[in-house]
Amino acid sequence: EAQVTQNPRYLITVTGKKLTVTCSQNMNHEYMSWYRQDPGLGLRQIYYSMNVEVTDKGDVPEGYKVSRKEKRNFPLILESPSPNQTSLYFCASSQRTGSETQYFGPGTRLLVL
Amino acid sequence: AQSVAQPEDQVNVAEGNPLTVKCTYSVSGNPYLFWYVQYPNRGLQFLLKYITGDNLVKGSYGFEAEFNKSQTSFHLKKPSALVSDSALYFCAVRGAPARQLTFGSGTQLTVLP
Repeated sequence: EAQVTQNPRYLITVTGKKLTVTCSQNMNHEYMSWYRQDPGLGLRQIYYSMNVEVTDKGDVPEGYKVSRKEKRNFPLILESPSPNQTSLYFCASSQRTGSETQYFGPGTRLLVL
Repeated sequence: AQSVAQPEDQVNVAEGNPLTVKCTYSVSGNPYLFWYVQYPNRGLQFLLKYITGDNLVKGSYGFEAEFNKSQTSFHLKKPSALVSDSALYFCAVRGAPARQLTFGSGTQLTVLP
């Protein structure tokens, strides 16, 4: 089954404790992206990747890091999480950009205390 | 910079009545326009997209959307609403060339029995 998976689905952590949210897709997609969803703000893009070893900042990259060492994986790293990073996070992938439809993972709900 | 506006946070409609969820956009060049739906505790699911050609686009679950270039709008419509259509709907746009997909803030649709 074609899908985007994220782990963990739920995470509670404390300020300053490094964490990683994994994202994997099995569709051989070139383009991958991370979004955060906050009430009233919709989805805002954090980082995206056009292909392996190619990443770029989205609209809200501060406090986040990503890497794309393999085509299927695109982890999101919070090196020193803060309470304002409490949010719902989605990973997405598509074959390319432009007119291609993005496929979304199920989401990761993060609470930073 | 590209942007999307969904002017209504909430739309209520009676079951069986037609529904419209509004979306306007701003982008450089020709737009790629998308509608996604989010059910509670789920990721986003693709509904339909406009790339080029016929201004009326038909998508999943009986939804359709009309692209209006002069009004820079891409309103989502359905002739007869179902209670199961109740969800959060997002409009998104990508300009050409552009690497980012920009989302609106979302519209909560509630279909009343």
